[in-house]
Amino acid sequence: DADVTQTPRNRITKTGKRIMLECSQTKGHDRMYWYRQDPGLGLRLIYYSFDVKDINKGEISDGYSVSRQAQAKFSLSLESAIPNQTALYFCATSDSDDSVLFFGSGTQLSVL
Amino acid sequence: GENVEQHPSTLSVQEGDSAVIKCTYSDSASNYFPWYKQELGKRPQLIIDIRSNVGEKKDQRIAVTLNKTAKHFSLHITETQPEDSAVYFCAASWDAGNMLTFGGGTRLMVKP
Repeated sequence: DADVTQTPRNRITKTGKRIMLECSQTKGHDRMYWYRQDPGLGLRLIYYSFDVKDINKGEISDGYSVSRQAQAKFSLSLESAIPNQTALYFCATSDSDDSVLFFGSGTQLSVL
Repeated sequence: GENVEQHPSTLSVQEGDSAVIKCTYSDSASNYFPWYKQELGKRPQLIIDIRSNVGEKKDQRIAVTLNKTAKHFSLHITETQPEDSAVYFCAASWDAGNMLTFGGGTRLMVKP
């Protein structure tokens, strides 16, 4: 099945560490996104990419960076993790002419 | 930019009763309104969407209504079942293929 795969599923790290979350997709979609989910705050957009050479900041990009290594791969990095970055992170994809999002299984990140 | 507010944040109903979740949006140019369902520990998935050229759309026990004049849209679930228990997110964008802005989510609990 074509899918959106995130690794790792869970990660515990310490303040100040560099962390990378990875996302790959077999849907053939051009567009990829990183969202953060906090209780009561819904899904907030961190970064998005409409194709391999396109990177855009979302509403909460501070403290994060991304890399679009290929059409199918989009990674999110926390250069120096802090406790308030503890959250559930979702990667998502969409086709270029459609707003429907297909989400990965999520990565639960805890920063101690 | 677009702002989407969702109410209530939690909703508890008895099995068999109806549930209604409401969202308001700020950008009058928005014309695409999807709803996503996120079961416990799972990824969000699209359950129904509506475009501004229609006022209501149904799919079995779920329906969405849209009032463009008032800039609000609602999700209606009839004959609720325990498997309807989940977090529901509304969203809005100004065209297919454009960025979605999500509401804060509603946790629906259906009591057997």
